[in-house]
Amino acid sequence: GESVGLHLPTLSVQEGDNSIINCAYSNSASDYFIWYKQESGKGPQFIIDIRSNMDKRQGQRVTVLLNKTVKHLSLQIAATQPGDSAVYFCAENRPRGNQGGKLIFGQGTELSVKP
Amino acid sequence: DAGVTQSPTHLIKTRGQQVTLRCSPKSGHDTVSWYQQALGQGPQFIFQYYEEEERQRGNFPDRFSGHQFPNYSSELNVNALLLGDSALYLCASSLFSGTGREKLFFGSGTQLSVL
Repeated sequence: GESVGLHLPTLSVQEGDNSIINCAYSNSASDYFIWYKQESGKGPQFIIDIRSNMDKRQGQRVTVLLNKTVKHLSLQIAATQPGDSAVYFCAENRPRGNQGGKLIFGQGTELSVKP
Repeated sequence: DAGVTQSPTHLIKTRGQQVTLRCSPKSGHDTVSWYQQALGQGPQFIFQYYEEEERQRGNFPDRFSGHQFPNYSSELNVNALLLGDSALYLCASSLFSGTGREKLFFGSGTQLSVL
């Protein structure tokens, strides 16, 4: 079936360390991927996106890597801070022609940053 | 610039009742998508509205229906509520691009409890 899954449901890191959150997807036709951060009581917040014609994209303290060969996506957070504690979702965009896509979300990884 | 707003924030209903949730998209956006997020899970796509029409639909029964108004705001209606409909309902807005790759911005959601 179609799914986007995460390898680790929880991740605990020390403040200042780098964090890596992994995600596997199953549909090779997906051409766009997004990472979202969701804090308690809030909706998902856009972090970074990447198109399938790219292998890497960098933002402020975050980097997304895409390996289409093994259908794997990762989010790297540099110098993790307590404010980064949240649940992180990868989402796979399933386009349907030019009519827009729909996002398929993974289960999520809870990141806990220890001071 | 207001982001995506949803109302109400919390709602309690009993089985068999009907509920209407409301969403105002981010300024400048013309597309609204609805997602259901069960506790501990990633959001699940319900449907998407563009130009006042349902453009795509996920795997949800006909009890779930929606509407988009000329001002791009949207409603989600659920009839004959079941206990399993208890979840956080998220609205996301985007700007139609015609590429099938659209960045979604989420509201904080409506927490629905069915007793």
